[in-house]
Amino acid sequence: SQTIHQWPATLVQPVGSPLSLECTVEGTSNPNLYWYRQAAGRGLQLLFYSVGIGQISSEVPQNLSASRPQDRQFILSSKKLLLSDSGFYLCAWSSWFNYGYTFGSGTRLTVV
Amino acid sequence: QKEVEQDPGPLSVPEGAIVSLNCTYSNSAFQYFMWYRQYSRKGPELLMYTYSSGNKEDGRFTAQVDKSSKYISLFIRDSQPSDSATYLCAMSEGSGSARQLTFGSGTQLTVLP
Repeated sequence: SQTIHQWPATLVQPVGSPLSLECTVEGTSNPNLYWYRQAAGRGLQLLFYSVGIGQISSEVPQNLSASRPQDRQFILSSKKLLLSDSGFYLCAWSSWFNYGYTFGSGTRLTVV
Repeated sequence: QKEVEQDPGPLSVPEGAIVSLNCTYSNSAFQYFMWYRQYSRKGPELLMYTYSSGNKEDGRFTAQVDKSSKYISLFIRDSQPSDSATYLCAMSEGSGSARQLTFGSGTQLTVLP
């Protein structure tokens, strides 16, 4: 069976510090991978998606970047965090054989 | 106008009530419709999946799609306190290379014991 791992679960970072969130998928090959942000009381905002190694599409211009160094690894980064980067970050995957997306457990980021 | 509109609630009902959650959309190309349930501080989990118009039932949950009205619904019968969560509708046009989903903003549901 397929599983998705996302860490850390909670993160408190000062403004101007770097960020690295990691997501890995097990049990499948060549998944589509996604990073979403969910602000409090708001819907899901697609940040990045990837259909293969090194292939990253950005949906929203911002202070964040994403990379996919391996088939089942997706990393969300920032060089300098802003207060507005606070939120709940979710990684998800999809493939031709599954319905919809499967989400990770999320990372709650607070920038102080 | 957003592509997908969903009443944010919050919605509060007594245990055992029938709950109706709804979304409207504007893109007539949407063919795949989903409902996700998200507990507090957790990632969304897929609850129901339907293709095109019609009804689909799974236990206490029924998903309904009316493409002519661009309207989808999720019904929860005999609601339980464990159903308290945020429910998000989602939809997509097809199975493209990334099959991007468009999400509603979510409805927060509380079922009171």
